[in-house]
Amino acid sequence: AQTVTQSQPEMSVQEAETVTLSCTYDTSESDYYLFWYKQPPSRQMILVIRQEAYKQQNATENRFSVNFQKAAKSFSLKISDSQLGDAAMYFCAYYSGATNKLIFGTGTLLAVQP
Amino acid sequence: DAGVIQSPRHEVTEMGQEVTLRCKPISGHDYLFWYRQTMMRGLELLIYFNNNVPIDDSGMPEDRFSAKMPNASFSTLKIQPSEPRDSAVYFCASSFGKPKGDTQYFGPGTRLTVL
Repeated sequence: AQTVTQSQPEMSVQEAETVTLSCTYDTSESDYYLFWYKQPPSRQMILVIRQEAYKQQNATENRFSVNFQKAAKSFSLKISDSQLGDAAMYFCAYYSGATNKLIFGTGTLLAVQP
Repeated sequence: DAGVIQSPRHEVTEMGQEVTLRCKPISGHDYLFWYRQTMMRGLELLIYFNNNVPIDDSGMPEDRFSAKMPNASFSTLKIQPSEPRDSAVYFCASSFGKPKGDTQYFGPGTRLTVL
């Protein structure tokens, strides 16, 4: 079975600085996608970024980028120029192309200090 | 697009009562998912539908839970009878199936409290 591990329950970053959130996963599949979702206090789950496993190029979305290391099964999220609005719980998620299931990690709570 | 719509946003009920949660997926999406989020268990997939047909309900905790999707624009998750341990945030999400993208878009959630 696939598993997703986020080893950092909490992180803190100064406004305008850069922070990296870690995620590792375990799978024997070749067809899958990886996601980062953000959950602010409003509890809405907001898609941050998406990576197809077959693509070697790391996905980027404005200030958000990933470091996808397929062999190491690592999928970290880098947030540049952190803003107060980035404060939220961040979930890493694995999508199985075979089962259509999205499996979430336990989340990393990010605090942004002014 | 309005996004995924869920109602109610908050529900408080007493143990033993029936609870019905509602979801309207994004128009055109052919997959619909129900999740439950608790502090203890995190985000769990309960059931998902493809073209209104339940495909995998292995995450449904027990027979007290049931879900239906009578048409492409509406789904319900019912708990009968409800118990305090059912207290959680319930999310509905929808997506296009492969090969269009697979990204799941979530509704705002329903916070359920069972007293």
